[in-house]
Amino acid sequence: DAKTTQPPSMDCAEGRAANLPCNHSTISGNEYVYWYRQIHSQGPQYIIHGLKNNETNEMASLIITEDRKSSTLILPHATLRDTAVYYCIVRVAGTASKLTFGTGTRLQVTL
Amino acid sequence: DTEVTQTPKHLVMGMTNKKSLKCEQHMGHRAMYWYKQKAKKPPELMFVYSYEKLSINESVPSRFSPECPNSSLLNLHLHALQPEDSALYLCASSRSGGLTNEQFFGPGTRLTVL
Repeated sequence: DAKTTQPPSMDCAEGRAANLPCNHSTISGNEYVYWYRQIHSQGPQYIIHGLKNNETNEMASLIITEDRKSSTLILPHATLRDTAVYYCIVRVAGTASKLTFGTGTRLQVTL
Repeated sequence: DTEVTQTPKHLVMGMTNKKSLKCEQHMGHRAMYWYKQKAKKPPELMFVYSYEKLSINESVPSRFSPECPNSSLLNLHLHALQPEDSALYLCASSRSGGLTNEQFFGPGTRLTVL
């Protein structure tokens, strides 16, 4: 699986957009970008995934650069409940099922 | 029902004990997973079951023994564990072992080995 790089921590004011970056410069053409988050003492929660087009769902938006070497997860209006560790994961086609978690970004949303 | 349930929530055991962790889902998922998470570290995959057959074992010591008795249930049998095995054990499931199918995680069992 391609390696990902994320900043270890970020802060965001409540109500503002949180933009979480992820570098995956060695990603190959058939690898997807996944985002999960883990709120303290809970199991990880799926957020969104994409291949090359930008994606949006009720939780977040995923922006993938044209060369696919990086992506940004956007939480449009962060709340205190969004405080969590956010993991960017790239999955190789054919290695079915495996999620390899990196160290993630700890997002702290403050008043 | 979009939940993965795990029991017990907490478990304390001695090094000579035998215990089991249980995971259940009723979403019709045919892939189920065990992950281990040490404090302040990301989850690490241990085992994958696909259609009730073990498909991935990430070189886990034999003191951890997984079992998938049916498509809804996943067990992790524990025997002769060491204190360093203390961790949060997470179960997950997905529609199948395919590339784009997201995994749904349970809340985990927090295991302490004395």
